[in-house]
Amino acid sequence: QQQVKQSPQSLIVQKGGISIINCAYENTAFDYFPWYQQFPGKGPALLIAIRPDVSEKKEGRFTISFNKSAKQFSLHIMDSQPGDSATYFCAASYSGNTPLVFGKGTRLSVIA
Amino acid sequence: GAVVSQHPSRVICKSGTSVKIECRSLDFQATTMFWYRQFPKQSLMLMATSNEGSKATYEQGVEKDKFLINHASLTLSTLTVTSAHPEDSSFYICSAPDRGAAEAFFGQGTRLTVV
Repeated sequence: QQQVKQSPQSLIVQKGGISIINCAYENTAFDYFPWYQQFPGKGPALLIAIRPDVSEKKEGRFTISFNKSAKQFSLHIMDSQPGDSATYFCAASYSGNTPLVFGKGTRLSVIA
Repeated sequence: GAVVSQHPSRVICKSGTSVKIECRSLDFQATTMFWYRQFPKQSLMLMATSNEGSKATYEQGVEKDKFLINHASLTLSTLTVTSAHPEDSSFYICSAPDRGAAEAFFGQGTRLTVV
């Protein structure tokens, strides 16, 4: 049972363009939705996260949009750069000491 | 943010031997540590949850006798892959939440190759 569905699997974006990755979740008890960036051979690094009481959160070039009724959230990367090329994972969890449930990941390639 | 230090970053071992992976929380107390496994081009899959001073909880399909987890202190959790086989070759990553906060801090990962 896949609790967090992520799409697309891979994405190619021109430098300066907007990268958009989408996730949908099933469990309405989830209340924490982070996005992680992972480079090859490295552990995931937290990019940005949101809680259900907010519909949008922006940090620099990264924005999370959250739609509670649709049980969907997305990551927008503005002005995408070649250095953003990495694998991005959405995740969800409950508050407290609970593990994250990850989406399957999106491999982003930003080309010049 | 908080730091979780994991080592070794990569290890190559012979089939049948055991390998120990350590994760330390450097600037906070990690009462809980999550251990994940990640195969190439795949997502992170939870293997087990360790709590300081108690036995680890393993996910379905994960052999507890093969993947020994010890969480003896609030700053150190270890994963020992016993009698390793080539199919155990993977990227192992630990993660610790910071005292009830939802944010989880990840180690750098360990690339295990069993030959």
